[in-house]
Amino acid sequence: QQQVKQSPQSLIVQKGGIPIINCAYENTAFDYFPWYQQFPGKGPALLIAIRPDVSEKKEGRFTISFNKSAKQFSLHIMDSQPGDSATYFCAASKVWSGGTSYGKLTFGQGTILTVHP
Amino acid sequence: DVKVTQSSRYLVKRTGEKVFLECVQDMDHENMFWYRQDPGLGLRLIYFSYDVKMKEKGDIPEGYSVSREKKERFSLILESASTNQTSMYLCASSPQGGVSHEQYFGPGTRLTVT
Repeated sequence: QQQVKQSPQSLIVQKGGIPIINCAYENTAFDYFPWYQQFPGKGPALLIAIRPDVSEKKEGRFTISFNKSAKQFSLHIMDSQPGDSATYFCAASKVWSGGTSYGKLTFGQGTILTVHP
Repeated sequence: DVKVTQSSRYLVKRTGEKVFLECVQDMDHENMFWYRQDPGLGLRLIYFSYDVKMKEKGDIPEGYSVSREKKERFSLILESASTNQTSMYLCASSPQGGVSHEQYFGPGTRLTVT
């Protein structure tokens, strides 16, 4: 069962554009929402993460917007660069479960971002 | 620098063969994970382990088993490989507890079953 739905599947923008990737989740127990970035031939790496007690988090050119009532969150990339071309995955996790934290993540389907020079 | 290594980058096996994928982490992490990555499906969790000799099924465990005899090593086993197990396999590790659950991934093993 897919508990995190991500869109679009692919996205092409020009350099300087602002690509936006959206994710929606179903499980209201999720309390940690990271984004991972994957370059070709590499494993995914953590890019930025947010907890549901804030509506926005910014790190450099990357911003997560979080809407708890709609159960949606999105990644915005300001002033996108060709070097941002990668696959992006949203994910969600229930940090604590029965007093133990395993950090098990549920990932979205992924978005292939291409930034043209 | 944190590191997760996987035994092979590319692997070609025949249908029915037993396949072992090895993963080693050098960060003393308690948690280790095996995912498969398929286009349009994202990363799907096969199994994870939160301690030596402990394992839990993920979302798609059918056709797979795992072994964790040492803290740093987590193995994925395909008992009898089938063509629908052709995929990219990713291993990850993370520390237990704390506020950050960052998972550190290996580079992946692209498995082709013919």
